[in-house]
Amino acid sequence: QVQLQQWGSGLFKPSETLSLTCAVYGGSFTNYYWSWIRQPPGKGLEWIGEVNHIGSTNYNPSLKSRVTVSVDTSKNQFSLKLSSVTAADTAIYYCARENDSGGYYYFDYWGQGALVTVSS
Amino acid sequence: SSELTQDPAVSVALGQTIRITCQGDSLRRYYGSWYQQKPGQAPIVVIYGKNNRPSGIPDRFSGSSSGNTASLTITGAQAEDEADYYCHSRDSSGDHGVFGAGTKVTVL
Repeated sequence: QVQLQQWGSGLFKPSETLSLTCAVYGGSFTNYYWSWIRQPPGKGLEWIGEVNHIGSTNYNPSLKSRVTVSVDTSKNQFSLKLSSVTAADTAIYYCARENDSGGYYYFDYWGQGALVTVSS
Repeated sequence: SSELTQDPAVSVALGQTIRITCQGDSLRRYYGSWYQQKPGQAPIVVIYGKNNRPSGIPDRFSGSSSGNTASLTITGAQAEDEADYYCHSRDSSGDHGVFGAGTKVTVL
């Protein structure tokens, strides 16, 4: 059974760099893209970016200048860094596994979510 | 294009059938996937690809796609189906993911 467990600080001040990490337990780490998705309070889901096991990344164009997603295959972990945060970055942040088997793209496993608040 | 458009809210009587749609240019190239999210919980995938249900998802959930529109149908809606539903796909470039704004389903 695949499990994604995420952690990271919950409170950041404006202009700081948000940092979250997600550990993957069970299943293969090498055959998937590993993604970050966020959800502001009371709002919808927003795709942030993704990384595969060799470090290839794709980012949401609206966040690209501030986002870094990285991978540590020795620990089966991947991380998110979002720089220069503002109150607009307050959200629940989810990590998720993207499955593209058969040419279909979908998120089949999700982390528990982490509430990140940006406030002075 | 990187947009997926969903109706904000729909309601359905208990036991009746509801169809939720998602429109976007990228759906002409990529199949969508559908996620159910209940308050305080992470989303779960209910339909992906042409019409695939993960293990544990009731068969009252089905999907279809035509042109630039993906649809999720709940046949015989139950009270526990009341939730927010999001569609997802790759954008037209294939390099980015994109979500619809979500549809709030109320079961009356």
